[in-house]
Amino acid sequence: SYELTQPPSVSVSPGQTARITCSGDALPKKYAYWYQQKSGQAPVLVIHEDSKRPSGIPERFSGASSGTLATLTISGAQVDDEADYYCYSTDSSDNRVFGGGTKLTVL
Amino acid sequence: QVQLQESGPGLVKSAETLSLTCTVSGSSINSAYFWGWIRQPPGKGLEWIGSIHQSENTYYNPSLKSRVAISVDTSKNLFSLKLSSVTAADTAVYYCAREVGVGLEKYFDYWGQGSLVSVSS
Repeated sequence: SYELTQPPSVSVSPGQTARITCSGDALPKKYAYWYQQKSGQAPVLVIHEDSKRPSGIPERFSGASSGTLATLTISGAQVDDEADYYCYSTDSSDNRVFGGGTKLTVL
Repeated sequence: QVQLQESGPGLVKSAETLSLTCTVSGSSINSAYFWGWIRQPPGKGLEWIGSIHQSENTYYNPSLKSRVAISVDTSKNLFSLKLSSVTAADTAVYYCAREVGVGLEKYFDYWGQGSLVSVSS
């Protein structure tokens, strides 16, 4: 089955840039999406179609994808950005797939 | 404003069938969108269960396909999940969500708040 691979954790100090990666063999042909999930809450879409920000998502969130690697970048990370982040994509059979998640710590 | 709300029993006995309903407001089930179910075991990541279109085209996670059934009720603007022969491994928070299509791809834009279902022996 298709897999999206993320690092289990990323840690930055407030104001620094956090980068979370997502690796998948189908990413050259499929978009990557990113969800933020704070403790006890439902996931929230922060990036769609590799690099587009939904309305209401701060400009410090950006996304890029090149080859088999997608990256979520949080420029000037804030304590409020502490959360689990999941990448998401689809495979050639239209199965929806989530990465394993990355815990972002900002302290 | 699009809202989704899961409802159903919070406790299911092992080997029985888990049943959940997602009631949608602010968006019509009878539209171009797909509607999906995702679950999250305690302390673990997200797992897609399956998705359905109002035309009743369905897509299921291959790992769960033999036990899952998703249906829609356009008259009530809701969709439902049934997961049979549950075990403790099916204990999770179950989310319903709306899916947006981008070409041949789809992603979830609006989510319900989630419903914790525990499986007891």
